[in-house]
Amino acid sequence: DSGVTQTPKHLITATGQRVTLRCSPRSGDLSVYWYQQSLDQGLQFLIQYYNGEERAKGNILERFSAQQFPDLHSELNLSSLELGDSALYFCASSVDPLAGVNEQYFGPGTRLTVT
Amino acid sequence: AQSVSQHNHHVILSEAASLELGCNYSYGGTVNLFWYVQYPGQHLQLLLKYFSGDPLVKGIKGFEAEFIKSKFSFNLRKPSVQWSDTAEYFCAVNGEANSGYALNFGKGTSLLVTP
Repeated sequence: DSGVTQTPKHLITATGQRVTLRCSPRSGDLSVYWYQQSLDQGLQFLIQYYNGEERAKGNILERFSAQQFPDLHSELNLSSLELGDSALYFCASSVDPLAGVNEQYFGPGTRLTVT
Repeated sequence: AQSVSQHNHHVILSEAASLELGCNYSYGGTVNLFWYVQYPGQHLQLLLKYFSGDPLVKGIKGFEAEFIKSKFSFNLRKPSVQWSDTAEYFCAVNGEANSGYALNFGKGTSLLVTP
C-alpha cells in the first residue's frame, strides 16, 4: 500500500459523458501527478499540481481538467468522453519535486471504460 | 525532451534464471532514474531508484540496477527470478523543471516466469 488512494476503482460510462476521478496523496505529500496508461500510448503524464496550484502540463487534452483542493486531494475531470479515453488513470504523489529528488508513489488507479 | 527506451517488450524465463532488462534514456542533463514494477491488476510500485553516488543501486526483492552514464543506460538485473516476479517492469527518468519533474516512462517489459 503506497498511501495514495484513488476512487472509484472502476468506471463505465458512455461516449459524450463527463466523469470525475479522485485522488488523495500520501500524508505530507504536496504534489500530485496524473498519468494515463493505455495499451497504445503506454504511461503518459497528464498534469501536475503542487500545493493547490497547477505546476506543469503534459499530454493532457483540452477536454480534461484537474484541480487540487486545500486538503490536497485532487480531482481529474474528463468530459465529452470518447472511446479512446478508455484507459487506466493513475495518480501519484511526491513531497516536493523541487527538493532535489522526485520519488513518486502511485495509487491503485481508476480503470475507465467508455462504451 | 527526454525519452526512455526499453528493448525487450516480452521476456519469458524459467524460475532460477537470471534476468537483465535493458533501459536506455536520452537526456544530457542530470537525471534521476527509476524502475517500477506493476504486478497483474495492481498499481505501480517503486523497485529502485538512482539519484547520485554509487551507480550500482539495490532495490527491493533482490533487484539491482546499474547506471552507466557513458551508455545512457540503467539496466535492471536479478540473479535468480521467481514465479512471483511475473509482472510488467517500467523504466522511468524524471523530466525537466518545466514538466514538474514528471516521470517519462518506457513502454514497459512484460516478464513471465514459468515454474
